[in-house]
Amino acid sequence: ETGVTQTPRHLVMGMTNKKSLKCEQHLGHNAMYWYKQSAKKPLELMFVYNFKEQTENNSVPSRFSPECPNSSHLFLHLHTLQPEDSALYLCASSHGGSNNEQFFGPGTRLTVL
Amino acid sequence: GQQLNQSPQSMFIQEGEDVSMNCTSSSIFNTWLWYKQDPGEGPVLLIALYKAGELTSNGRLTAQFGITRKDSFLNISASIPSDVGIYFCAVYEGGNMLTFGGGTRLMVKP
Repeated sequence: ETGVTQTPRHLVMGMTNKKSLKCEQHLGHNAMYWYKQSAKKPLELMFVYNFKEQTENNSVPSRFSPECPNSSHLFLHLHTLQPEDSALYLCASSHGGSNNEQFFGPGTRLTVL
Repeated sequence: GQQLNQSPQSMFIQEGEDVSMNCTSSSIFNTWLWYKQDPGEGPVLLIALYKAGELTSNGRLTAQFGITRKDSFLNISASIPSDVGIYFCAVYEGGNMLTFGGGTRLMVKP
């Protein structure tokens, strides 16, 4: 595998379900990100991890819970989501520090029923 | 966060035509980026601009960092069908936090 991979690519879940999104980067980076891409809204940064430490939480509701066990893996745990949470969730990685190019995964298309 | 105003929102052009899109903000930024997102994929960086007034090319793509540092332009020359996708401008809002524009959806007639 190369670059940034995300699984699953598609997920349908009910509002009472608990699921997790997984991201893995094979680029030797030490910063990882979760973004949300909704229809008719710009890409929104959700969380930033630098060297496994969460350095940014962009006012994301607690029903989204990120986890970064090491610098290559990033998870987004989902529980009691709402239909308006349906979106494309994109993971990205970069070298740490400022203004470094972010490489994106293909995303997970999430539908909440 | 900062809002980036990107226009047009979409455009439908003939193959071979040149394309222009732009992005503006009310704040000054030191870096402007242009990404492209193909269907079913994540965004990919096309061009990064680091200096006001800078003009940078990547094949048929040319981007400019506005002299006021509040805007940027992307031009695509002689468009081809594979140029279809969504183009995003983006800026760094401190550290490694990216803010994106709303995107320009490009559709090309063969």
